[in-house]
Amino acid sequence: RKEVEQDPGPFNVPEGATVAFNCTYSNSASQSFFWYRQDCRKEPKLLMSVYSSGNEDGRFTAQLNRASQYISLLIRDSKLSDSATYLCVVTGGSGGSNYKLTFGKGTLLTVNP
Amino acid sequence: DVKVTQSSRYLVKRTGEKVFLECVQDMDHENMFWYRQDPGLGLRLIYFSYDVKMKEKGDIPEGYSVSREKKERFSLILESASTNQTSMYLCASSLTGTGSQFRNQPQHFGDGTRLSIL
Repeated sequence: RKEVEQDPGPFNVPEGATVAFNCTYSNSASQSFFWYRQDCRKEPKLLMSVYSSGNEDGRFTAQLNRASQYISLLIRDSKLSDSATYLCVVTGGSGGSNYKLTFGKGTLLTVNP
Repeated sequence: DVKVTQSSRYLVKRTGEKVFLECVQDMDHENMFWYRQDPGLGLRLIYFSYDVKMKEKGDIPEGYSVSREKKERFSLILESASTNQTSMYLCASSLTGTGSQFRNQPQHFGDGTRLSIL
């Protein structure tokens, strides 16, 4: 099983649509979870942390299921500006060091007018 | 806001050259990281450092070395550049954190350096 695995995408949705990204991780000792977004030819930027109880930030909702080792990101009422690659990220790499973030390969989202 | 600054956005070097990529952060973060990002492979960790003069190998350290003489600066060195080291290089930094957040902090990235080795 890959350390962090995401939907391969790409996702093409119309403006206003709701879109969900899923992610699974293999290291049951992982402590922290994040979603990053990366625009074309730019650096990754932290979108939101993912908490055990689930959390919401405006149109974005993140969920964590530790038992299933599963993370999700829901985007409601999608905007053109949401077009980007979304990266699922967990702490604790294969070497066990919690300093390390392990990144999924990302899912490309394109929101169309 | 955290500011992570990489010395060059674009760099072109020749095979066999010694190449230095510099990264500076202004938020007194303990931890710093170097990644490379290639199409289809995602972000891969090269080296990281959790304190001055300390370093640890990441997943792909071969052909690279690092230097952390000061807390705010983390340098990546390509000892003898090769064409397969053409890539986007990203530097990041993070706090160590305390309590339940110890060693579980998000990382903040620089703009990246697009390095081409000819």
